[in-house]
Amino acid sequence: TQLLEQSPQFLSIQEGENLTVYCNSSSVFSSLQWYRQEPGEGPVLLVTVVTGGEVKKLKRLTFQFGDARKDSSLHITAAQPGDTGLYLCAGNTGKLIFGQGTTLQVKP
Amino acid sequence: GAGVSQSPRYKVAKRGQDVALRCDPISGHVSLFWYQQALGQGPEFLTYFQNEAQLDKSGLPSDRFFAERPEGSVSTLKIQRTQQEDSAVYLCASFPGAGTEAFFGQGTRLTVV
Repeated sequence: TQLLEQSPQFLSIQEGENLTVYCNSSSVFSSLQWYRQEPGEGPVLLVTVVTGGEVKKLKRLTFQFGDARKDSSLHITAAQPGDTGLYLCAGNTGKLIFGQGTTLQVKP
Repeated sequence: GAGVSQSPRYKVAKRGQDVALRCDPISGHVSLFWYQQALGQGPEFLTYFQNEAQLDKSGLPSDRFFAERPEGSVSTLKIQRTQQEDSAVYLCASFPGAGTEAFFGQGTRLTVV
């Protein structure tokens, strides 16, 4: 049973388009993290959200933590080819558990 | 070094062979995790250590998998009698403290033929 469900699993878009990735769970998390992973590398932290309803912005990336701290979303505005990669949400249950990931491909 | 270092980067093993994967965490990081990752999927938890104590090994797929961290720094993940389904990328991550950022190594890609 997947504790964290990510959707979509795969996304292929043109440069300049907007997109949203969702991370949902039936469990409450004390914090939730988003990572980005490129081929041949380990995941790298983008952001940590802690407070229900929290919104954090990182340049063209906007992260939101649900009010009940069970879900989160990542919105990318005007996607660029450099945004291509595997996006992972991760929840802390005493150990860090990952969703199955969203593979994003941005075509020039 | 400044980051988490894993070796080897690539390992090809014949089915039935034993392998040992090494992780050098960031100096001073208390927590160390091992994950298994299939292509295009999220990392799956295997086990974790706090200093030298293995606090959770519930994710290890079978008793062929064994991990240790005897001095609370370097960790080794050993897989005995490898099978084709063991083929994956094995990631190591270290944490400075509970609930903090995970720092990952580049992983070891294991291919069992």
